[in-house]
Amino acid sequence: GQNIDQPTEMTATEGAIVQINCTYQTSGFNGLFWYQQHAGEAPTFLSYNVLDGLEEKGRFSSFLSRSKGYSYLLLKELQMKDSASYLCAARDSNYQLIWGAGTKLIIKP
Amino acid sequence: ETGVTQTPRHLVMGMTNKKSLKCEQHLGHNAMYWYKQSAKKPLELMFVYNFKEQTENNSVPSRFSPECPNSSHLFLHLHTLQPEDSALYLCASSQGSPGESYEQYFGPGTRLTVT
Repeated sequence: GQNIDQPTEMTATEGAIVQINCTYQTSGFNGLFWYQQHAGEAPTFLSYNVLDGLEEKGRFSSFLSRSKGYSYLLLKELQMKDSASYLCAARDSNYQLIWGAGTKLIIKP
Repeated sequence: ETGVTQTPRHLVMGMTNKKSLKCEQHLGHNAMYWYKQSAKKPLELMFVYNFKEQTENNSVPSRFSPECPNSSHLFLHLHTLQPEDSALYLCASSQGSPGESYEQYFGPGTRLTVT
């Protein structure tokens, strides 16, 4: 079956760095997505990786290893507003998005 | 503000009621989606429309009935729901075919409670 695994919850300190991991098992692969969702709000797109390596976008970076079925989202210089759920999704050979349950990130002062 | 609006934001309905959820996108996209989001569970794709044509129905019970009159509007008609249908219902849109789009724009969702 197809599956996405990511931690349920993580806690980090303001100003620090946090890495949110995601492993996926899909029938074929056509890209890995990260979305951010604040409580009570819409998910918003953060990043898309289809090739191995690191994509940097400001304080956020996303990494992909296709051979390992693994991705991570790296958040630097954490701010209180980064407290949110982070959703990982992989697109399979039929271009269906398989979603993880999300990682709730709690930032403490 | 993502350019996708949903109404109502909150809905409480009895199991015998009939109600409709509305989604409107102001982005000129051609594909629209309905998702169900339950606490601590992955997003569940329910329906996909591309240029007003339904392209996916992921084994959704018939008590959920979608309607897409044009590329900007999407409805989800609800009738004789069950308590387990209580969840956040999210609408999304994207440009290009659903399989090739890189980004979906989500609305804020409708929080549905079935009593």
